[in-house]
Amino acid sequence: DAMVIQNPRYQVTQFGKPVTLSCSQTLNHNVMYWYQQKSSQAPKLLFHYYDKDFNNEADTPDNFQSRRPNTSFCFLDIRSPGLGDAAMYLCATSRAQGASGELFFGEGSRLTVL
Amino acid sequence: GQNIDQPTEMTATEGAIVQINCTYQTSGFNGLFWYQQHAGEAPTFLSYNVLDGLEEKGRFSSFLSRSKGYSYLLLKELQMKDSASYLCAVRDADSGYALNFGKGTSLLVTP
Repeated sequence: DAMVIQNPRYQVTQFGKPVTLSCSQTLNHNVMYWYQQKSSQAPKLLFHYYDKDFNNEADTPDNFQSRRPNTSFCFLDIRSPGLGDAAMYLCATSRAQGASGELFFGEGSRLTVL
Repeated sequence: GQNIDQPTEMTATEGAIVQINCTYQTSGFNGLFWYQQHAGEAPTFLSYNVLDGLEEKGRFSSFLSRSKGYSYLLLKELQMKDSASYLCAVRDADSGYALNFGKGTSLLVTP
C-alpha cells in the first residue's frame, strides 16, 4: 500500500496560472519535504517541515510556497509557474528519531508548463 | 553546502558486478544514503552508512570512508531490472534532517 501519496501525478498548467500539488502520508512521520527534480538532474530540496516548523532553502524562489495543515498533509503552491518550473516534484517523509532517518518518497507530480 | 560527485553513466553486463563511486565534501557529516530511481519514478531507499565500513544487504553493498569523503555502491549478480539511476545523498549538520543528492549515475545493464 502506498504510504506517501501525491496528487495529481501529472499536472499541465499555463504560464502564470497557479498550481497546487498535494502530498499525504500514512506513516505518521514528523518531517515532510518537497524536492524539485528536472530531467537528468539531482533532486533539489525546496523546503521541509519538522512538525509545523517550516524550513526554507535559501535559494528557493518566492514563487514556491508550502502549507502543512496537519501531520498527514503537505501542499506545494506555485504562484506563477514559469517555463523553468516544469519538473517532477517529489514529496518525501522521514522520522526524525531513531534508525537512519531515511526518506520515503511519493511517486511524484510531473508538472508541465505551456 | 556539499559537493557530491558520481559518474554520469555506467554500463555493465547481466550477471556481472559493478561498483558506483561517490565522493563528497561536507562540513558536518551525518550519514550517506544510496537510492535507486527508475525513469519517471520516485527514488527508493537502498542503503545507509554513517560509520566507516561495509554494509551488505542481499545483492547490494555500500561502503563508506569518512576520512576520504568516499562511498561506493556494489551491485552483484546484475539483473536487467537493475538498469536505473543510482543517487548518492548526504546528510550533514547544516541540512538538519534533509538529504542533499548527487546527480545520479545512470546504469545500463546489457544482456
